[in-house]
Amino acid sequence: KQEVTQIPAALSVPEGENLVLNCSFTDSAIYNLQWFRQDPGKGLTSLLLIQSSQREQTSGRLNASLDKSSGRSTLYIAASQPGDSATYLCAVRSMKTSYDKVIFGPGTSLSVIP
Amino acid sequence: DTEVTQTPKHLVMGMTNKKSLKCEQHMGHRAMYWYKQKAKKPPELMFVYSYEKLSINESVPSRFSPECPNSSLLNLHLHALQPEDSALYLCASSQDSGSTDTQYFGPGTRLTVL
Repeated sequence: KQEVTQIPAALSVPEGENLVLNCSFTDSAIYNLQWFRQDPGKGLTSLLLIQSSQREQTSGRLNASLDKSSGRSTLYIAASQPGDSATYLCAVRSMKTSYDKVIFGPGTSLSVIP
Repeated sequence: DTEVTQTPKHLVMGMTNKKSLKCEQHMGHRAMYWYKQKAKKPPELMFVYSYEKLSINESVPSRFSPECPNSSLLNLHLHALQPEDSALYLCASSQDSGSTDTQYFGPGTRLTVL
């Protein structure tokens, strides 16, 4: 059964710092991995999607990498801003056809201090 | 238009009530999802409609009943809920296109069961 973990669970950094969030998964049979942002009490906003055949994707100050063989992905945020404060979740889309084909990690709660 | 809409935004119901949550997307997506999210936890997949075929998470109680009237609409019918069912219910949609499949989420319905 696919399991997704994220470290750290929480992170507090001063504004301007570069930071890395980590995501690990146990089954490499995935279609893709997606990073989301969630503000408190709100829905999820898609940040980046990496296909299983890709190594990384970039959008603005965000860069996500994927190492499928080792079951790891990282989300790099450059020059962090207070507006980046949110919970960041990774999700893998499994190749299995059962109901659990999208599995979320528990999230990293990020706080950027002005 | 990459919007998924959900109604209502908030719902308070008693344990004997029957209510429905609604979700709509106009992106031509062929897969729609219901997730349940408890506070400080990741979303948990409840149901998936893919090309109008239902996949069920067998751990979801029968007091939750999904309905997909057409490819743009998704309902979640609620009956005889328990206080522990109080949560944020999120709807999402995607093309169900394998490796490029990106999920788009609605803002959620905050459900409180008294």
